[in-house]
Order: sequence, then C-alpha cells, then structure tokens
Amino acid sequence: DAKTTQPTSMDCAEGRAANLPCNHSTISGNEYVYWYRQIHSQGPQYIIHGLKNNETNEMASLIITEDRKSSTLILPHATLRDTAVYYCIVRVVADYKLSFGAGTTVTVRA
Amino acid sequence: DSGVTQTPKHLITATGQRVTLRCSPRSGDLSVYWYQQSLDQGLQFLIQYYNGEERAKGNILERFSAQQFPDLHSELNLSSLELGDSALYFCASSGVLAEKTQYFGPGTRLLVL
Repeated sequence: DAKTTQPTSMDCAEGRAANLPCNHSTISGNEYVYWYRQIHSQGPQYIIHGLKNNETNEMASLIITEDRKSSTLILPHATLRDTAVYYCIVRVVADYKLSFGAGTTVTVRA
Repeated sequence: DSGVTQTPKHLITATGQRVTLRCSPRSGDLSVYWYQQSLDQGLQFLIQYYNGEERAKGNILERFSAQQFPDLHSELNLSSLELGDSALYFCASSGVLAEKTQYFGPGTRLLVL
C-alpha cells in the first residue's frame, strides 16, 4: 500500500470548513483514497473514498488532485462532534486490510 | 450505528487466562476483519475471514485465533493472555460491492491484570 503523510494535528473553529490534507505521492493507479475518523476510542467511522474524481456525501467532500499525489478532506461546517482523529488511507480495493497511520487529530473549538 | 455489533464491550481478566470476543457483521456482509488498537501500536490488522474461510493474516500472535461461523458471526479467541494484550479490539465487515468499504463495530476493551 502507498504510504500517506498527514499533519499531526490541526484546530478548526466551529461552523467553519475544516480542510484536512493528505499526501500520497507513491499512490498506484488502482489504489483508492479512503478517509476514516475515530472519535475517542470508538470504532473507526467510514467517511468517504475516491479513486480520481472528487466525491461528496452527506458527511464530507474529497478533493483529489489531478496527479492523485495528494487529497483534501473537507468537512463543510465543522461541529464540536467532529473532534476526532482522521485517517487517510490508500488501498487497493481487492486488498484485505486497512493500514492505519497516526492520522490527524482535529480539534474543533467553539 | 455501523450495523456491526461486538460483545462484550469491556472485559477484565488476569494474565494466563483465555477470552473470546464476538462480532456480528452487517446484514449480508460476508467478510469480517479483526483489528487491535493498543496505545503504542495504533490500529493493526489481525485477520480476515470471508464466508467462513480464513482469507488473510496480519500481525496476529500464535496465541490468538479466530473463526467465522455459518451464520457469519465471528469470534476472536485470545489465550495465555499477557499484560501487553490489553487493547481495544475492533471487528469490521464488508460486503460484496466492488469497493469493499469496511464498517467497524464499537469494539471490545480488554484489560489484562
């Protein structure tokens, strides 16, 4: 699996958009970008994934650069409940596992 | 709520003992994955089962074993427990859709004293 690089931590103001960057410069053509988050020792929660096109769902948007070497997860209106560790993972679809790194600790402040 | 259930939520036991953790996947999901999260190791993949058969192994100790039953629920058995086995254990499941997104359960917190 390609490795990812994320900032260790970031703060965000409640109500503002949170933009979480992820670098995956060695990503292969058949690897997807997945985002999960973990809120205080709860089970990791799936957020969104994509291959090359930008994706949006009810939780977030995923912007993938044209060369696919980096991506940004956007939480459009952060709330206090979005405080969590966010993991960016690249994975071949047929692969069996998710390889979690250290993630980005996001703190949303009132 | 992901639809994946795990029992028990908490487990406290002593070194040398054996415990069984249980996971029920989302309805219709054939794959079950087990992960361990300890303070110093982060989230680590242990093992995957698909429709009753072992599909892949990760960093799973020989003292640990798992199985998936005909009704697709899975059990993770941990034996000869050591202090270092204290961790959160998560189960995830995925379906047959092409992209096989994994959905995680709430976890079992194991404390070995």
